Amino acid sequence: DADVTQTPRNRITKTGKRIMLECSQTKGHDRMYWYRQDPGLGLRLIYYSFDVKDINKGEISDGYSVSRQAQAKFSLSLESAIPNQTALYFCAAEDGATGANVLTFGAGSRLTVL
Amino acid sequence: DAKTTQPNSMESNEEEPVHLPCNHSTISGTDYIHWYRQLPSQGPEYVIHGLTSNVNNRMASLAIAEDRKSSTLILHRATLRDAAVYYCILWGGTSYGKLTFGQGTILTVHP
Repeated sequence: DADVTQTPRNRITKTGKRIMLECSQTKGHDRMYWYRQDPGLGLRLIYYSFDVKDINKGEISDGYSVSRQAQAKFSLSLESAIPNQTALYFCAAEDGATGANVLTFGAGSRLTVL
Repeated sequence: DAKTTQPNSMESNEEEPVHLPCNHSTISGTDYIHWYRQLPSQGPEYVIHGLTSNVNNRMASLAIAEDRKSSTLILHRATLRDAAVYYCILWGGTSYGKLTFGQGTILTVHP
């Protein structure tokens, strides 16, 4: 099993629909992240969470919300999807305990908003 | 936030060494230099990181300038599987929790 699992891997939806992307990790890390990737723009940070009660906005949080249901689960929601939210979304978990601050990424969730 | 600058693309031949440069002139004293790579259709994966001293691991070596304003990721013998986008990132200190990946360097490896 993958250390960081994202579901769904692909999703096509319509403008105005509510969408949830889910992420779970088996590494036991406290810190989790959601990134968005667009062609030519690298990865941009949407939200990050240092533990279940600590959630922070990233560079591009507008239009998104998150929920940290448990240490292992971190979900990203689009309350009312719009076409410019079409992108590849990545979840990551961070090994901060050893001081290495290494991120392990999921395989990505490709979202298309029509 | 401290920024990094990388060439948009580089090319190499298989089994030759590759030196991927990164400039980070505004790095703070507590920022670590991390490198990740993203293979086609995959999420980024960790390659190596360092603070001041050069570092080696099974994947690559990291050479850090004495003034820490630049670094170089070294792939000792490139393989076709090393073709990817390589990201140089500053992590910790002023950038902690705000980790953002730039556009990276697209590495093409020729047979």
